[in-house]
Amino acid sequence: DAKTTQPNSMESNEEEPVHLPCNHSTISGTDYIHWYRQLPSQGPEYVIHGLTSNVNNRMASLAIAEDRKSSTLILHRATLRDAAVYYCIWYSYDKVIFGPGTSLSVIP
Amino acid sequence: DAGVIQSPRHEVTEMGQEVTLRCKPISGHNSLFWYRQTMMRGLELLIYFNNNVPIDDSGMPEDRFSAKMPNASFSTLKIQPSEPRDSAVYFCASSFRLAGSHEQFFGPGTRLTVL
Repeated sequence: DAKTTQPNSMESNEEEPVHLPCNHSTISGTDYIHWYRQLPSQGPEYVIHGLTSNVNNRMASLAIAEDRKSSTLILHRATLRDAAVYYCIWYSYDKVIFGPGTSLSVIP
Repeated sequence: DAGVIQSPRHEVTEMGQEVTLRCKPISGHNSLFWYRQTMMRGLELLIYFNNNVPIDDSGMPEDRFSAKMPNASFSTLKIQPSEPRDSAVYFCASSFRLAGSHEQFFGPGTRLTVL
């Protein structure tokens, strides 16, 4: 049974890096890993995605384990605007597998 | 582009009534998703279309829920009859699916309240 797990909540100090983990132990070799975040009272928004190698964009970095059974979303310097629920998602052709989301709090 | 458009933004109805939620995806996108979000259950995928064809509807709660995508620019989610436990925010999202990679763009959501 496909499953994705994430910690329920995490806390970070402002300006500090944040590492948000996700376990996706049943992922197959061709399934991409995506991360989205949802700010309060808004719909989710895309953050980053990857397949095998680490990825960087203006919002974040994505580190994917060599065995692809886990990944980590890295926010290099947390700001108050990064307080949100972060979802790890991966896709098979006919399935969208959602993590439960991690609620990130950023302390000023 | 205006992004994903959902209507109505808010809907209040009474138990037993039919509810129809509408979604216009971003032009050129070939995948469309309907989600439901509640405090208790979080974000749940209801159904996923690719090229207007339902691919995964395993998240549709029961026969009271139905979704259609008659063409690439329009989709509906219907609840008949509605029940108070259907109260939630319903999101529609679209993406251009390419080799297993999606970047979904979400609409603003429809907040449904069933009394």
